[in-house]
Amino acid sequence: AQSVTQLGSHVSVSEGALVLLRCNYSSSVPPYLFWYVQYPNQGLQLLLKYTSAATLVKGINGFEAEFKKSETSFHLTKPSAHMSDAAEYFCAVSDSGGSNYKLTFGKGTLLTVNP
Amino acid sequence: DAGVTQSPTHLIKTRGQQVTLRCSPKSGHDTVSWYQQALGQGPQFIFQYYEEEERQRGNFPDRFSGHQFPNYSSELNVNALLLGDSALYLCASTLWPGNTIYFGEGSWLTVV
Repeated sequence: AQSVTQLGSHVSVSEGALVLLRCNYSSSVPPYLFWYVQYPNQGLQLLLKYTSAATLVKGINGFEAEFKKSETSFHLTKPSAHMSDAAEYFCAVSDSGGSNYKLTFGKGTLLTVNP
Repeated sequence: DAGVTQSPTHLIKTRGQQVTLRCSPKSGHDTVSWYQQALGQGPQFIFQYYEEEERQRGNFPDRFSGHQFPNYSSELNVNALLLGDSALYLCASTLWPGNTIYFGEGSWLTVV
């Protein structure tokens, strides 16, 4: 069974500062990993995904994440926070490729960006 | 290109009633999954439909059932509603056997 742990339910940064959102996963098979963003009262938008290709994955809106197998981590970063980045971020894991997989989500990290 | 669309957006039901939520997948997608997101929590997988059959199911009781139609759209039905069923219900779609899942805006269900 897969699981995801997101360290820190709430992260607060200043505009222009580095954003680092932490995600650790547990999986008995090579995982596929995803980061989704959820703005207030909206659905989930895919930021980026890792599917066993390059370990450094670039996503939309300047976000990127690095897959580290030895640390079972997939942390999300952005060099410079923007006010529009304020949202809830979810890390998710799936157990295999193809449509047989289901996503297991972490509990989310709320990102606040201060002016 | 239409994304995943869900209806209704919001609804209020009374405990014990039944509810049906609807989902149209993104254009070109043939696989639909449903997730429940309680307030302050991450989404939890309910079940997945492909070729009009339930392919996978999460840890949800039989009160939760679904259906997929030949045009790939889907319904989620919940019987005997409990207060704890109050949540955002998200529909997601993908193309078998793809690996990118797109989510709809969700249906907010409040059980009173």
